[in-house]
Amino acid sequence: DGGITQSPKYLFRKEGQNVTLSCEQNLNHDAMYWYRQDPGQGLRLIYYSQIVNDFQKGDIAEGYSVSREKKESFPLTVTSAQKNPTAFYLCATSSLAVTWGGQETQYFGPGTRLLVL
Amino acid sequence: GDSVTQMEGPVTLSEEAFLTINCTYTATGYPSLFWYVQYPGEGLQLLLKATKADDKGSNKGFEATYRKETTSFHLEKGSVQVSDSAVYFCALGGLGTSGSRLTFGEGTQLTVNP
Repeated sequence: DGGITQSPKYLFRKEGQNVTLSCEQNLNHDAMYWYRQDPGQGLRLIYYSQIVNDFQKGDIAEGYSVSREKKESFPLTVTSAQKNPTAFYLCATSSLAVTWGGQETQYFGPGTRLLVL
Repeated sequence: GDSVTQMEGPVTLSEEAFLTINCTYTATGYPSLFWYVQYPGEGLQLLLKATKADDKGSNKGFEATYRKETTSFHLEKGSVQVSDSAVYFCALGGLGTSGSRLTFGEGTQLTVNP
């Protein structure tokens, strides 16, 4: 069954704790992305990776870290430095085989909702 | 930088009404344009896309035309259903040194009543 898997669906963080959100894909896509969505707002890019062992900061990378050790996996760690982590986190993937005149579509996972205790 | 401006919501319609959700953009170069839909508690699903000026994307009765002269990509549907209730996001994608990243609008909440 092809697709993007995010786990867990809900995650609770205590004060001062680091937590890691999982994103796995079997679409053989090169690029992976992490977005944050706050209620009533659009998506903001946290980090993205176009190739294994390489990743770039997005617009709101402070307080987050990532790794890309395998093509299929792009975990996101929300560190204690992120003071307002409560949000819905979405992972996305895309192929980098860009076709003429356009950019490849991004496909999204089901999301992880992070709540602070 | 690139930006997307969407019609403010929420939008409430009766079943079978005509839908328009406005989207305008600012971008350098020749971006691709997308509409995504998000149902409650779920991730985003691609609804339709257009990759160049005058292209029309269509899917499930929804349509949008890439208008370069007005920098717009308005979403339309002739007759909405209750099942169309969701949040709709307009997005643009640019090619460049930052890779294939997307810039999203704020989203428009649509509620369709029977």
